[in-house]
Amino acid sequence: EDQVTQSPEALRLQEGESSSLNCSYTVSGLRGLFWYRQDPGKGPEFLFTLYSAGEEKEKERLKATLTKKESFLHITAPKPEDSATYLCAVQPLSGGYNKLIFGAGTRLAVHP
Amino acid sequence: DGGITQSPKYLFRKEGQNVTLSCEQNLNHDAMYWYRQDPGQGLRLIYYSQIVNDFQKGDIAEGYSVSREKKESFPLTVTSAQKNPTAFYLCASSSGDPGNRGYTFGSGTRLTVV
Repeated sequence: EDQVTQSPEALRLQEGESSSLNCSYTVSGLRGLFWYRQDPGKGPEFLFTLYSAGEEKEKERLKATLTKKESFLHITAPKPEDSATYLCAVQPLSGGYNKLIFGAGTRLAVHP
Repeated sequence: DGGITQSPKYLFRKEGQNVTLSCEQNLNHDAMYWYRQDPGQGLRLIYYSQIVNDFQKGDIAEGYSVSREKKESFPLTVTSAQKNPTAFYLCASSSGDPGNRGYTFGSGTRLTVV
């Protein structure tokens, strides 16, 4: 069964304290892996798509990497405005339509 | 600006009542989706539609119904058969394959049973 597990569930950082969020996935074949940011009471906002092991994408203080079993979202020198829930989703090769399977997310709080 | 509009932002339902959540997009996307989000759980797919006048059940379709009469619109009805409807509902769209841009999401509707 296709599955996505994110860890930790919640993470508290001090401003400037770098860390990583993990997304482990089990899928019969991977078409793509997506990272989203979600602010409280809002819809998810697209961040990155990764397609193959070894691929990396960067945006400001965020860098996403992909292996055959997991993806990491690295946050370098975070600021309070980076506080949000980060969601990971995978698109399987099979399924017959454009299905994304989401993890439960990591709630990140960055304190000054 | 193109995007997805969900309304209302907050909705209260009485026991035994049907309610309809609105989702409209002006992105010219073919595919639209409804997800339910509960605390501590991933987004779960309720229904999806790849073209007008066609839609398919997702993983948790029981107690819900949809229609897709126009490309821009994909309303979701939460029926009285849905026993635990309190949740955050998200509508999304994509041009086809999520590809480089993933889904575009609306801002959500929070439904509460009173």
